[in-house]
Amino acid sequence: NAGVTQTPKFQVLKTGQSMTLQCAQDMNHEYMSWYRQDPGMGLRLIHYSVGAGITDQGEVPNGYNVSRSTTEDFPLRLLSAAPSQTSVYFCASSYSTGGPWETQYFGPGTRLLVL
Amino acid sequence: AQSVTQLDSHVSVSEGTPVLLRCNYSSSYSPSLFWYVQHPNKGLQLLLKYTSAATLVKGINGFEAEFKKSETSFHLTKPSAHMSDAAEYFCVVSGEDKLSFGAGTTVTVRA
Repeated sequence: NAGVTQTPKFQVLKTGQSMTLQCAQDMNHEYMSWYRQDPGMGLRLIHYSVGAGITDQGEVPNGYNVSRSTTEDFPLRLLSAAPSQTSVYFCASSYSTGGPWETQYFGPGTRLLVL
Repeated sequence: AQSVTQLDSHVSVSEGTPVLLRCNYSSSYSPSLFWYVQHPNKGLQLLLKYTSAATLVKGINGFEAEFKKSETSFHLTKPSAHMSDAAEYFCVVSGEDKLSFGAGTTVTVRA
């Protein structure tokens, strides 16, 4: 199994541009989440999904959209990039019996720089 | 609501000496508690998890953590540090509707 994969690994955007961060998992996990990591702040939840077709907001959802059309994929869209969205983004999944807030399996991250 | 405080932002140890990373939490639940490790430019990896079965939890790579309800603490220890333990460590508490992450402790291991 590849686990949780994320693309791209690194991206530079200009203010106002849009882009999609891709996330896929091959473990048949029901729950998936997006986090951003900023220095000294740990990880903060952006959006999450408890199954295909079901998404909800986390702590810091503004400026981001998600959708979950399949169990495997959970893309994160930046609508109009801002310098404040410069961060490292992690996708994570967890299995059904534990619930969405149990053991997380993390992808390798996407480093985003917004100029 | 829940919160996590990691009491040290940076810990420096010599190879072969013990490591102690301190974590206090608050929660209105009986929470699950986790420690994750993040090596440079990598994703987070689970070290260990507490779910009320036993107060002393053993994890991977020789790490263990002790849950102390009276002190609301979940400190992580390792008897003998190895160079490969240099990383950032996160204490995490689960709640009703999210996970709460500590700010992280960076561990440096001196040869």
